[in-house]
Amino acid sequence: NAGVTQTPKFQVLKTGQSMTLQCAQDMNHEYMSWYRQDPGMGLRLIHYSVGAGITDQGEVPNGYNVSRSTTEDFPLRLLSAAPSQTSVYFCASRSRPQLVPSNEQFFGPGTRLTVL
Amino acid sequence: AQKITQTQPGMFVQEKEAVTLDCTYDTSDPSYGLFWYKQPSSGEMIFLIYQGSYDQQNATEGRYSLNFQKARKSANLVISASQLGDSAMYFCAMRGSNYKLTFGKGTLLTVNP
Repeated sequence: NAGVTQTPKFQVLKTGQSMTLQCAQDMNHEYMSWYRQDPGMGLRLIHYSVGAGITDQGEVPNGYNVSRSTTEDFPLRLLSAAPSQTSVYFCASRSRPQLVPSNEQFFGPGTRLTVL
Repeated sequence: AQKITQTQPGMFVQEKEAVTLDCTYDTSDPSYGLFWYKQPSSGEMIFLIYQGSYDQQNATEGRYSLNFQKARKSANLVISASQLGDSAMYFCAMRGSNYKLTFGKGTLLTVNP
């Protein structure tokens, strides 16, 4: 299993540009999430999904869009990039916690995004 | 709402000694789970240990143990016999009834030789 994969690893954007961060998992996990990590802030939840076709907002959703058309993929779209979106983005997945509450959340390697 | 507080921005420990990283939480959910993750300088997130709110015993995983004090709403991570490779950022996280994972701001642990 490849686990959780993210592309690209690094990206530089100009203010106003749009782009999509890709995330895929091959563990048949129903739950997937996007986090951003900023210095001194820990990880903050952007959007999450509990299954194909179902998404919901997290703590910091503004400026981001998600969709979940398949179990495997959960792309994150930046609609119009701003310098405040400079961050490290992590995608994560896990199986249904209702079934096994101790199941860990698996993280991708992260995408380091800089918005100029 | 869920909240995780890690009050130690940085900690230092001598190699081979034990260290405790503090974590307190706040939730109104009767059922919840507590996690600790390690993030080395390479950036990946590594799962260390889990404690369920109804678990009677403190969780242990090798050199890691979780000191769970439910009444005080604390879930401290204890690392025994510290190694140089333990130098990293450590995050406490909680999952409540909404199944979202809330993270603390982290503690940077430095192990000195």
